[in-house]
Amino acid sequence: AQSVTQLGSHVSVSEGALVLLRCNYSSSVPPYLFWYVQYPNQGLQLLLKYTSAATLVKGINGFEAEFKKSETSFHLTKPSAHMSDAAEYFCAVRAPNTGNQFYFGTGTSLTVIP
Amino acid sequence: EAGVVQSPRYKIIEKKQPVAFWCNPISGHNTLYWYLQNLGQGPELLIRYENEEAVDDSQLPKDRFSAERLKGVDSTLKIQPAELGDSAVYLCASSIGGTDTQYFGPGTRLTVL
Repeated sequence: AQSVTQLGSHVSVSEGALVLLRCNYSSSVPPYLFWYVQYPNQGLQLLLKYTSAATLVKGINGFEAEFKKSETSFHLTKPSAHMSDAAEYFCAVRAPNTGNQFYFGTGTSLTVIP
Repeated sequence: EAGVVQSPRYKIIEKKQPVAFWCNPISGHNTLYWYLQNLGQGPELLIRYENEEAVDDSQLPKDRFSAERLKGVDSTLKIQPAELGDSAVYLCASSIGGTDTQYFGPGTRLTVL
């Protein structure tokens, strides 16, 4: 079965500091991995996705994530946090042997302190 | 290009009442998804359509929930009767095909009193 674990339901960083949001997955086959962001009262917006090409994936708004098979991780990072980054972030996994169903983590709420 | 459109954005009803949500996917997207998002949780798939066919409805509580996508474009999700525990955000998403990136609508926030 596929699953996603996001460590830390709430993360606070100072403006300009490194953002690190953690995601670990379990999958019996090489998965596709995604990070979505959700601003208040809005739907989910795709930040980036890993589809078995380069292990370091760059997304929108300066975010990037690295796929590490040995650690079954896909952590999201941004070198310098901006106030506008405050939002809810969801990691998701999709495995080809599950009918391409998405499984989302429980989300991490990012707070940026001025 | 217009995104996924959902209506209404907010709905408040009393328990045992029926409610319906509407979704219009991005033009050309054959695959449509309905998700349930409880407070503090990630979205959970309710049903997935490929064109007008429901290809995965295993998580849809069929005793009270129903969905349709008659012409393979827009879709309606219905709850009848609603229960207190149905209070949540109902998200619609679409993708070109079943293996492609999903694009989400803003959701409908349902409150059942």
